[in-house]
Amino acid sequence: AQSVTQLGSHVSVSEGALVLLRCNYSSSVPPYLFWYVQYPNQGLQLLLKYTTGATLVKGINGFEAEFKKSETSFHLTKPSAHMSDAAEYFCAVDLANTGNQFYFGTGTSLTVIP
Amino acid sequence: NAGVTQTPKFQVLKTGQSMTLQCAQDMNHEYMSWYRQDPGMGLRLIHYSVGAGITDQGEVPNGYNVSRSTTEDFPLRLLSAAPSQTSVYFCASSLRQGVTYGYTFGSGTRLTVV
Repeated sequence: AQSVTQLGSHVSVSEGALVLLRCNYSSSVPPYLFWYVQYPNQGLQLLLKYTTGATLVKGINGFEAEFKKSETSFHLTKPSAHMSDAAEYFCAVDLANTGNQFYFGTGTSLTVIP
Repeated sequence: NAGVTQTPKFQVLKTGQSMTLQCAQDMNHEYMSWYRQDPGMGLRLIHYSVGAGITDQGEVPNGYNVSRSTTEDFPLRLLSAAPSQTSVYFCASSLRQGVTYGYTFGSGTRLTVV
């Protein structure tokens, strides 16, 4: 069973438009949730994470994500896309909150159109 | 600069050859792990280690060996390379087990098995 699902393997937005990248998880208990970004030929960088507390999490580069338990979602948003946002984005979950059950989604490639 | 260093960056192997992918970190991180990244499949955990002398299997361990003789190094060995092992390999480390500390990723090793 897929632990984390990213809807849309490719997303294109115009520069200045809203960015919305979708992530849903399957877990009986609220997991820890993460978004990572990967620029071409580089490793992954942590954008933001949710563990406990406030469900709206702000990350680097103007990105934020909201944990919605009722929807089992953790969608990533940015109000205004910039050309430098073009990259691959991965949602990840830690189902056991221990690091032993840490799974990545299949990734969403974001293209920003000038 | 502190971080996770992976070598080599690129490698071509013939089927049946063996090789070792190197991973070193200088952040005194206890937790280290190896992932492989394949198109449409995200990142999958191969092996991980919670400290020197301790290793365990991840999601896709077959065909790979690891050891952790020091805190700094976590090499990944391919015993007899197969075309199915063509992939991009990432090493990641964390201060402790448990992803609340956040992973630091290396820049990857692109392996082709012919």
